[in-house]
Amino acid sequence: AQSVTQLDSQVPVFEEAPVELRCNYSSSVSVYLFWYVQYPNQGLQLLLKYLSGSTLVKGINGFEAEFNKSQTSFHLRKPSVHISDTAEYFCAVTYYNQGGKLIFGQGTELSVKP
Amino acid sequence: GAVVSQHPSRVICKSGTSVKIECRSLDFQATTMFWYRQFPKKSLMLMATSNEGSKATYEQGVEKDKFLINHASLTLSTLTVTSAHPEDSSFYICSANSGRRSYNEQFFGPGTRLTVL
Repeated sequence: AQSVTQLDSQVPVFEEAPVELRCNYSSSVSVYLFWYVQYPNQGLQLLLKYLSGSTLVKGINGFEAEFNKSQTSFHLRKPSVHISDTAEYFCAVTYYNQGGKLIFGQGTELSVKP
Repeated sequence: GAVVSQHPSRVICKSGTSVKIECRSLDFQATTMFWYRQFPKKSLMLMATSNEGSKATYEQGVEKDKFLINHASLTLSTLTVTSAHPEDSSFYICSANSGRRSYNEQFFGPGTRLTVL
């Protein structure tokens, strides 16, 4: 079965430190990958997406992610985090024949401390 | 960017009553809408996929008679929780897809917090 695994349920980090949130997906061809952010009691906002082309994808708020096909990973990174980045982050995948259905990872709670 | 709204944002109801949640795409036509359920500190669980003018496709384990979905137009989908019980309390989120391709971005609504007493 297709699946997405976010290896860390919680990531505490100090302000201005770098962070990496890990995401692995089950192998398949024609995969499309997404990272979403969710602030408390709100819906999801798209941070970035990989559809094709360059494996390094840049998104909003200074985030970037790298698609690694051989390792079936799509880790999210930010070189310097802010207090305002504290939120829940979800990795998601869809496949070319899934009609747009997203499969979500379990989520990673990023907690940025001063 | 595309905007999806949900109404109401928060609802409290008595056990046994029915609750309707609306999901609207405000500035684009949504060929497909999705309904998710999210438990506290948990990921999103896809409940069903709805296409305008056709019956919704429910995920395994989701009771279609309990969670009625109607996609009446290209900008509106509704989720009705029938005969709600406390275990139906949850955060319900809808999303809308503007195209038929898998890589078309889904735009998410702000969510509806349902509390059943």
